[in-house]
Amino acid sequence: GNSVTQMEGPVTLSEEAFLTINCTYTATGYPSLFWYVQYPGEGLQLLLKATKADDKGSNKGFEATYRKETTSFHLEKGSVQVSDSAVYFCALVSGTYKYIFGTGTRLKVLA
Amino acid sequence: EAGVAQSPRYKIIEKRQSVAFWCNPISGHATLYWYQQILGQGPKLLIQFQNNGVVDDSQLPKDRFSAERLKGVDSTLKIQPAKLEDSAVYLCASKGRDYEQYFGPGTRLTVT
Repeated sequence: GNSVTQMEGPVTLSEEAFLTINCTYTATGYPSLFWYVQYPGEGLQLLLKATKADDKGSNKGFEATYRKETTSFHLEKGSVQVSDSAVYFCALVSGTYKYIFGTGTRLKVLA
Repeated sequence: EAGVAQSPRYKIIEKRQSVAFWCNPISGHATLYWYQQILGQGPKLLIQFQNNGVVDDSQLPKDRFSAERLKGVDSTLKIQPAKLEDSAVYLCASKGRDYEQYFGPGTRLTVT
């Protein structure tokens, strides 16, 4: 069946450091891929998405490219801020609109 | 546009008691999801509705969990009787015509 694997956290970075959170997936067909962010005490918010191979999703300085050849959708940001501290979830959706989420990666950014 | 509403935000019950959660999706969203998120894990789908019909409930523990979406709008998730391992955040989400899900703030359930 479909699955999503994320790098384990926590990831601790200094402010202005470069961020990469790895995500790989297993799926039949051509899923759409997402990154969601969850701030403490809140629900999940969509951060960015990509619906086909080679698409790049971007938002708030975050980027991820849908790589079909490596089945990956790694999240990157060139310069993180303290306000980016949160849990990040990689997810995919299949044809029946069933979403599969990764286990989440906690990011902590230190001033 | 109003977001997905959930209530209550927090609930503490003793094991073997029953509890119900309510969700009101974004107006016009036909697809509604209930997820269970255990601390330190990703959301796990419990049930997916399309209007008032069930699309997927393969991971819903049907001996104790039930859900309904009468009239295809708001939805209720019930647990009866609760177990200690049901302690989690219960998230409701809805989806419009595109792929994007919108999540509510969740209900944090503690079973003692």
